[in-house]
Amino acid sequence: RKEVEQDPGPFNVPEGATVAFNCTYSNSASQSFFWYRQDCRKEPKLLMSVYSSGNEDGRFTAQLNRASQYISLLIRDSKLSDSATYLCVVGRPGGGNKLTFGTGTQLKVEL
Amino acid sequence: GAGVSQSPSNKVTEKGKDVELRCDPISGHTALYWYRQSLGQGLEFLIYFQGNSAPDKSGLPSDRFSAERTGGSVSTLTIQRTQQEDSAVYLCASSVAAAYEQYFGPGTRLTVT
Repeated sequence: RKEVEQDPGPFNVPEGATVAFNCTYSNSASQSFFWYRQDCRKEPKLLMSVYSSGNEDGRFTAQLNRASQYISLLIRDSKLSDSATYLCVVGRPGGGNKLTFGTGTQLKVEL
Repeated sequence: GAGVSQSPSNKVTEKGKDVELRCDPISGHTALYWYRQSLGQGLEFLIYFQGNSAPDKSGLPSDRFSAERTGGSVSTLTIQRTQQEDSAVYLCASSVAAAYEQYFGPGTRLTVT
């Protein structure tokens, strides 16, 4: 089983739609969680951290369910510019700041 | 401020040659990481440096790969006797010690012919 698993997609949605991605992780002792965004042939960029209480940044909402070991990302009112691959990222326990990256979920927002 | 920079942006080399890839982390970031990403694949952790501690080399795929970090800043990833399967984008990231957010450079696209 992979440490971090995501549905690769693609998710094709119309502009203005709400879309949600889920991600599961295998190590229950994982301590930090993030969503990164990666545009085609570009480096990953931090989108947002994910906190136990859930957090929101504009149109983006991230939630963590430790009991079920999954993380979600909700995008409301999607824009064409949201088209990208979204990477679920989990921090390994034991320090070292090592992050394990999921292979990503591809989102295509269409007119 | 300046982000993570990497050079070269593209490198084409013949099988069997050695290559050096360079990373300049964000100023003040003590942690530095190397990853590689093959086409359509996720990021693969290679090596991690934190301050003056011994690097975590657990992700290096073979002894042809090595990395060093001089003066706690610039890092060089060296691949000896390159093979075609080494072709990938090599990404460097840095973070502030004790924080988990990592910031990536634009990567070096390595093609081994």
